[in-house]
Amino acid sequence: EAEVAQSPRYKITEKSQAVAFWCDPISGHATLYWYRQILGQGPELLVQFQDESVVDDSQLPKDRFSAERLKGVDSTLKIQPAELGDSAMYLCASSLWNAGAEAFFGQGTRLTVV
Amino acid sequence: AQSVTQLDSQVPVFEEAPVELRCNYSSSVSVYLFWYVQYPNQGLQLLLKYLSGSTLVKGINGFEAEFNKSQTSFHLRKPSVHISDTAEYFCAVSTTSGTYKYIFGTGTRLKVLA
Repeated sequence: EAEVAQSPRYKITEKSQAVAFWCDPISGHATLYWYRQILGQGPELLVQFQDESVVDDSQLPKDRFSAERLKGVDSTLKIQPAELGDSAMYLCASSLWNAGAEAFFGQGTRLTVV
Repeated sequence: AQSVTQLDSQVPVFEEAPVELRCNYSSSVSVYLFWYVQYPNQGLQLLLKYLSGSTLVKGINGFEAEFNKSQTSFHLRKPSVHISDTAEYFCAVSTTSGTYKYIFGTGTRLKVLA
């Protein structure tokens, strides 16, 4: 069964360091989402891609966060420099570019900033 | 803009008892409605979705939900819960046009007691 792959599963980094997360969506899925989920809260959309183009990054803290999906397939989310408040689960999801399409989620990357 | 409200942050229920998890939404445009489940340290998995047609939607693991347009609600129900249903449940909306952006509620933690 096709899955969304994310790595690493867990990451501990010191504040002010750079950190990057990788996501490989389900083959054929044009839409890719990055969500941040703080413990005890719902996922918050950081950035949404259609193929290689950003369609929504209104909640992405652009002074420290960046995301790319250069060939419209896999994607990288980077934080530089990391802050203590960035500790959270980072979830990647993908879907077909259709109204009502199900979003398939990866297992996430648990980031701890110390 | 869209928003999702899950009124109960935690719901304890005894095994084999029925349960209802409440969800209300607000949107100025048409939306589709979803329920996702998240087990500890995992990504989200789709339980069910409402796109159109019958307002009673059946999903996996014996869950069902009813769409009520006048009350802008989409409550999730299960007639008899099991220990294995202990998890976090998220209600979400997605726009029917534009970017198909997903907006999630804050989640309800269902704890099934023996």
